[in-house]
Amino acid sequence: AQSVTQLDSQVPVFEEAPVELRCNYSSSVSVYLFWYVQYPNQGLQLLLKYLSGSTLVKGINGFEAEFNKSQTSFHLRKPSVHISDTAEYFCAVTPEGNTGNQFYFGTGTSLTVIP
Amino acid sequence: DTGVSQDPRHKITKRGQNVTFRCDPISEHNRLYWYRQTLGQGPEFLTYFQNEAQLEKSRLLSDRFSAERPKGSFSTLEIQRTEQGDSAMYLCASSFLGPGGFFGPGTRLTVL
Repeated sequence: AQSVTQLDSQVPVFEEAPVELRCNYSSSVSVYLFWYVQYPNQGLQLLLKYLSGSTLVKGINGFEAEFNKSQTSFHLRKPSVHISDTAEYFCAVTPEGNTGNQFYFGTGTSLTVIP
Repeated sequence: DTGVSQDPRHKITKRGQNVTFRCDPISEHNRLYWYRQTLGQGPEFLTYFQNEAQLEKSRLLSDRFSAERPKGSFSTLEIQRTEQGDSAMYLCASSFLGPGGFFGPGTRLTVL
């Protein structure tokens, strides 16, 4: 079975400051990893994903994440946040080689950018 | 193509009533997923279609829930005899081949 832990439920950060949103996972098999963003009253938008290759993954809106297999982590980072980054962020995994079945999501991290 | 669409966006119903939601995936996406999201939680998987075949169902999907994708295009999710615990956001996602779905805006269900 797979599970995802997002260690911080809320992260306040000042505008233009860097931010890191933490994600750890547990799985008995190798996994693919994802970060999604959800703005109020909207669906989820894919920020980035790790399937294979370089462990540093770059996504949209200036976000990046690094896969660390030994620490079973996939932390999301941005060097300088904007007000528009205020949203809920979800980390998710799905078993590697999976034919497209379910994703396992964390409980989310609410990022608030303070002007 | 403007992405995954869901209808209605909001639904308020009384306990015991039946409701049906519709999801239109991105054209040519053969995979379609339904998730449920309650306040303060991440989405929870409900069911998955590949083309018209329903290949996986979560234990969360009780007998009151049924989903169809009759022609491998749009999908419907029906909840019979709704309960207050069914109040949630119902999300649909679609993808083609590889993992990583595109999500719709969701249908927010409120059961009074």
